[in-house]
Amino acid sequence: DVKVTQSSRYLVKRTGEKVFLECVQDMDHENMFWYRQDPGLGLRLIYFSYDVKMKEKGDIPEGYSVSREKKERFSLILESASTNQTSMYLCASRQLAGNNEQFFGPGTRLTVL
Amino acid sequence: AQSVTQLGSHVSVSEGALVLLRCNYSSSVPPYLFWYVQYPNQGLQLLLKYTSAATLVKGINGFEAEFKKSETSFHLTKPSAHMSDAAEYFCAVSDPGNQFYFGTGTSLTVIP
Repeated sequence: DVKVTQSSRYLVKRTGEKVFLECVQDMDHENMFWYRQDPGLGLRLIYFSYDVKMKEKGDIPEGYSVSREKKERFSLILESASTNQTSMYLCASRQLAGNNEQFFGPGTRLTVL
Repeated sequence: AQSVTQLGSHVSVSEGALVLLRCNYSSSVPPYLFWYVQYPNQGLQLLLKYTSAATLVKGINGFEAEFKKSETSFHLTKPSAHMSDAAEYFCAVSDPGNQFYFGTGTSLTVIP
């Protein structure tokens, strides 16, 4: 079974802190994604990566950056956390092909105080 | 770009009743279609997917969905709701360019 793991299930940070969210997948998938999920807004794509060292902005990249140095790991970075970044963050991976689904991690619920 | 519309952000059904969650997509070419389920404080789990084989797709937990090209729809159904079906459901579309698009989700409540 494909497994996508995220470094923390719950995280509490203070405004202005630099925050790292880590995601690791074990199935050699080319594509990886970071979403945030907020009530009433569904999933919004922050960044995605087609392959190692590649990254593309999604719909809401402002205030975030990403890193993909190894194929299995995709990190989301909040350079200076703000209260409006309090959210559920979901990581996903996918084998490159149109008919393949995304596999999701369990999510990280981030609270910024 | 594709768009995915889920009609009804909240749906309530009685236990044992039919579940119908609606999904429409916009596409000029047949896409790949997916339904995901999300239980509280968890990630999304694939329920089923349509990949241009049979138009009626069976998934896990007794759910199924029918692809109707003429209606650009991919509605999710289950004949008899169970309390454990209470969750958030997301419809998604993948286009030939490998872009993935999610609907805004439908929260299903099952009334005992």
